[in-house]
Amino acid sequence: KQEVTQIPAALSVPEGENLVLNCSFTDSAIYNLQWFRQDPGKGLTSLLLIQSSQREQTSGRLNASLDKSSGRSTLYIAASQPGDSATYLCAVRESGGYQKVTFGTGTKLQVIP
Amino acid sequence: EAQVTQNPRYLITVTGKKLTVTCSQNMNHEYMSWYRQDPGLGLRQIYYSMNVEVTDKGDVPEGYKVSRKEKRNFPLILESPSPNQTSLYFCASLTLNPGGAKDNEQFFGPGTRLTVL
Repeated sequence: KQEVTQIPAALSVPEGENLVLNCSFTDSAIYNLQWFRQDPGKGLTSLLLIQSSQREQTSGRLNASLDKSSGRSTLYIAASQPGDSATYLCAVRESGGYQKVTFGTGTKLQVIP
Repeated sequence: EAQVTQNPRYLITVTGKKLTVTCSQNMNHEYMSWYRQDPGLGLRQIYYSMNVEVTDKGDVPEGYKVSRKEKRNFPLILESPSPNQTSLYFCASLTLNPGGAKDNEQFFGPGTRLTVL
């Protein structure tokens, strides 16, 4: 059974810092990995998606990397801003015929002005 | 506009009273899924469907039913709700025939907050 872990569970940084969020998974037979952002009481907003054959994806100040063999993904946020404060979730979609999706429990980020 | 819609957005009900939460997507996606989100436990998959008339259990299917009679709709049915089903529920969809990288993304509905008394 796939297990997805996100460390740390919470993170507080001053504005302007570069930071890294971690996501690890136990079964490397994945189809893709997707990073989401969730604001309190709200739905999920997709940030980046990395296919199993890719190493990284970039969007603006965000960069996500994937090392499938070691079961790890990182989300790098450059020059953090107070508006980045949210919970960040990673989700792993399994490969194969029945493609279950497993989420991590998230990292709650607070960027202090 | 491409979207996943859920109804109702908020629901308070009592134990044992059958309810249905609807989910609809307008993107012609094959894959649809239901999740529940609970504090400290994250999002857990309840059921998913690879296409019409094809459904399968996720990690926490007990107490729930689903059906996929049409491609666009994937209702979640609670035949006899209990207080431990109080949660925030999300419906999601994605295409299994991506034309590009972004087509692999999973799209989420706005969520349904359910309280069972």
